[in-house]
Amino acid sequence: QSALTQPASVSGSPGQSITISCTGTSSDIGGYNYVSWYRKHPGKAPKLMIYVVSNRPSGVSNRFSGSKSGNTASLTISGLQAEDEADYYCSSYSSTNTLVFGGGTKLTVL
Amino acid sequence: QVQLQESGPGLVKPSETLSLTCTVSGGSISTYYWTWIRLPPGKGLEWIGYIDTSGSTTYNPSLKSRVTISIDTSKNQFSLNLNSVTAADTAVYYCASKVVGATSRFDYWGQGTLVSVSS
Repeated sequence: QSALTQPASVSGSPGQSITISCTGTSSDIGGYNYVSWYRKHPGKAPKLMIYVVSNRPSGVSNRFSGSKSGNTASLTISGLQAEDEADYYCSSYSSTNTLVFGGGTKLTVL
Repeated sequence: QVQLQESGPGLVKPSETLSLTCTVSGGSISTYYWTWIRLPPGKGLEWIGYIDTSGSTTYNPSLKSRVTISIDTSKNQFSLNLNSVTAADTAVYYCASKVVGATSRFDYWGQGTLVSVSS
């Protein structure tokens, strides 16, 4: 069971849009629509931002959106704000009831 | 609003057993699967395993030989034991609630507790 692959870092200016990719296999992302995304600020617990590929929990801004194509899921953040600067992690349900996370992506708002 | 709080020693010696407890409040313990996740320094999140309220467990295959997760529904608590620890097990350990079923959705998280493995 290998970690999902995310870019180590992405950056954007306030107001711009960025996309973070998350690549897995047919045993996880490609096989199930159970992809979630989490935002983690330093010293804080992760926060659920997206579940089941593209659903937002109550209270999460509609600037956050998710999608999936084949073995790759993506998180897009539009209208970047300073508060969006954080680490972002994808996760997926995998075969045999296991779960797997991505390595994390550090988002810098320039 | 479900709240989770981790507790346990912050320092464990190599080869010994790491033991943590998570106390659940503000909701029914039967509503979720209860999960342990860790964040090693400089690395990404790692799922350790989860337990349902019947006591059925599922573990990360890479840790399965060393991990035991248990639950005490009468106390609204679940616990993690990780044996034969090494420095590589140094991490912030989180407990979290996973939505029942085939999902990767963790709705609620504890604040996390740092466990260092050192002699």
